[in-house]
Amino acid sequence: EPEVTQTPSHQVTQMGQEVILRCVPISNHLYFYWYRQILGQKVEFLVSFYNNEISEKSEIFDDQFSVERPDGSNFTLKIRSTKLEDSAMYFCASSVDRSTYEQYFGPGTRLTVT
Amino acid sequence: EDQVTQSPEALRLQEGESSSLNCSYTVSGLRGLFWYRQDPGKGPEFLFTLYSAGEEKEKERLKATLTKKESFLHITAPKPEDSATYLCAVQADDKIIFGKGTRLHILP
Repeated sequence: EPEVTQTPSHQVTQMGQEVILRCVPISNHLYFYWYRQILGQKVEFLVSFYNNEISEKSEIFDDQFSVERPDGSNFTLKIRSTKLEDSAMYFCASSVDRSTYEQYFGPGTRLTVT
Repeated sequence: EDQVTQSPEALRLQEGESSSLNCSYTVSGLRGLFWYRQDPGKGPEFLFTLYSAGEEKEKERLKATLTKKESFLHITAPKPEDSATYLCAVQADDKIIFGKGTRLHILP
């Protein structure tokens, strides 16, 4: 069964450093998403992406964040200058199209900022 | 403000003891309501989508229902492997708003 994959599973970085989190969505999916979940808290929407552009973003997704689909398979989230409060689990998700809205999540990347 | 509230926060049941989880929501222009299961350290696993009041969907021991203000996830004769956090989420435009979840623990 096709699944969303994410790398790395765990990333440790120092405050102020740039990190790139990578995702490979399900191959026939067209909509891509990033979410984060701070330990013990709810899943929070960051950004949705379709047709090589952002379709919606939350207040959390400020200028420190960017997304890219550099090729036909990868979808990345970049945090330019990490802060302690960026420590969280980051989930990538994808869906076939907008009408179904059934999003399939990857296993997540645990980001620890020290 | 769009909001999703789940109750209870945690629920412990004996194996075979049926119960329901609640998700109440306020959102302008609901496009869909979703139920996910999340195991510790893993990503949410899609269970159901409900689009309109009165709709019901079933999968094994789970049944999801939807009204204009809330959704219920009914679990019938649960087993220990049903232990997980169950997340409710609503679709507003292109973003999903999640509730905090209900931690369900089924005792053998």
